[in-house]
Amino acid sequence: AQSVTQLGSHVSVSEGALVLLRCNYSSSVPPYLFWYVQYPNQGLQLLLKYTTGATLVKGINGFEAEFKKSETSFHLTKPSAHMSDAAEYFCAVTSPTGNQFYFGTGTSLTVIP
Amino acid sequence: DAGITQSPRHKVTETGTPVTLRCHQTENHRYMYWYRQDPGHGLRLIHYSYGVKDTDKGEVSDGYSVSRSKTEDFLLTLESATSSQTSVYFCAISVGTSGITGELFFGEGSRLTVL
Repeated sequence: AQSVTQLGSHVSVSEGALVLLRCNYSSSVPPYLFWYVQYPNQGLQLLLKYTTGATLVKGINGFEAEFKKSETSFHLTKPSAHMSDAAEYFCAVTSPTGNQFYFGTGTSLTVIP
Repeated sequence: DAGITQSPRHKVTETGTPVTLRCHQTENHRYMYWYRQDPGHGLRLIHYSYGVKDTDKGEVSDGYSVSRSKTEDFLLTLESATSSQTSVYFCAISVGTSGITGELFFGEGSRLTVL
């Protein structure tokens, strides 16, 4: 089975600072990769996804992620944090067949005014 | 909006009682999933379905069963609820041109407490 590792269960940044959330995956076959965001008491929303093509993927709310096959990583970044970015973020990867999705344990982002 | 409705949204029950959670979609997507979310574990797949009467187990399927008699409905049943099944349950559908390589859209979740 695939596995996803998110380094840091809690990350705090100051408003306006760079956001970097780390995600590494284990896979013998390049999978499809996703970042989801979850606000309190809500379901998960897609931030961005990588399937094929350009390895730098842009998503909603100014987030982007870069697929690095050699490092089996898909880190999420945002140049300048906003208070509204405070949420839980999940990295996910598909199985080789594409019919299952595996999630990391999540990173809770706190933005300090 | 992928048109996913989960019911009930909140439920408190006692150990040993059966519980059924319902996921309803308004579009005819083939793949539907049930996940549970627990602190420190992220989301873990319980069961998924790839069509009417076609289901398969996920990584934490013990104690759960599912049924899909219609495309739009995917039911998750706890035959005899235990306290370890206290969790938030999310239904999701896979949306994409090929049906299995698209992203997941999630329902709002069902919070289950087993006393």
